[in-house]
Amino acid sequence: GDSVTQTEGQVALSEEDFLTIHCNYSASGYPALFWYVQYPGEGPQFLFRASRDKEKGSSRGFEATYDKGTTSFHLRKASVQESDSAVYYCALGGHAQGLTFGLGTRVSVFP
Amino acid sequence: EAGVTQSPRYAVLQEGQAVSFWCDPISGHDTLYWYQQPRDQGPQLLVYFRDEAVIDNSQLPSDRFSAVRPKGTNSTLKIQSAKQGDTATYLCASSHRDWGWHEQYFGPGTRLTVL
Repeated sequence: GDSVTQTEGQVALSEEDFLTIHCNYSASGYPALFWYVQYPGEGPQFLFRASRDKEKGSSRGFEATYDKGTTSFHLRKASVQESDSAVYYCALGGHAQGLTFGLGTRVSVFP
Repeated sequence: EAGVTQSPRYAVLQEGQAVSFWCDPISGHDTLYWYQQPRDQGPQLLVYFRDEAVIDNSQLPSDRFSAVRPKGTNSTLKIQSAKQGDTATYLCASSHRDWGWHEQYFGPGTRLTVL
């Protein structure tokens, strides 16, 4: 079945540091790839998605590029702020189907 | 535009008790999803509907879990006889099949604790 692997379980950074969260996927066909962010006590919020090879998704300074060759969709942000502290989920899905999520990466940004 | 609403926000049960969760999706969204999110894990799909029809319930433990969406709007997820392993947050999400890649919008969830 489809699966998503996020390498980092937790990341601790200082403000203005560069953030990278690695996401690799395994799926049949050509899924869309998503990043969601979840704050304490809330449901996941859609961050952005990409649906074809080499497409870049971005939002709020975060970005990721769909790479079919390496089956990856790594999340990056050049300069994090304390308000970026949250759990980030990589997910994949087909057309109007349920999503398959990774285990998540907890990001803590310290002033 | 109002988001996805869920109730109750919290539930605490003894094993063997029943519980129902209610979800009101975003107006106009034809697809509704229920996910289970154990502590410190990602959401896992249980079931989803298009209008009132179940599209995929293969991950729903059918002996104790049931879900309905009778009028294609609100939905109810019920656990008949809860077990400690059901302790998790239950998330409802909605989307529209014709809008973009139908990004899913999540409610705040119901946090269930089974003692």
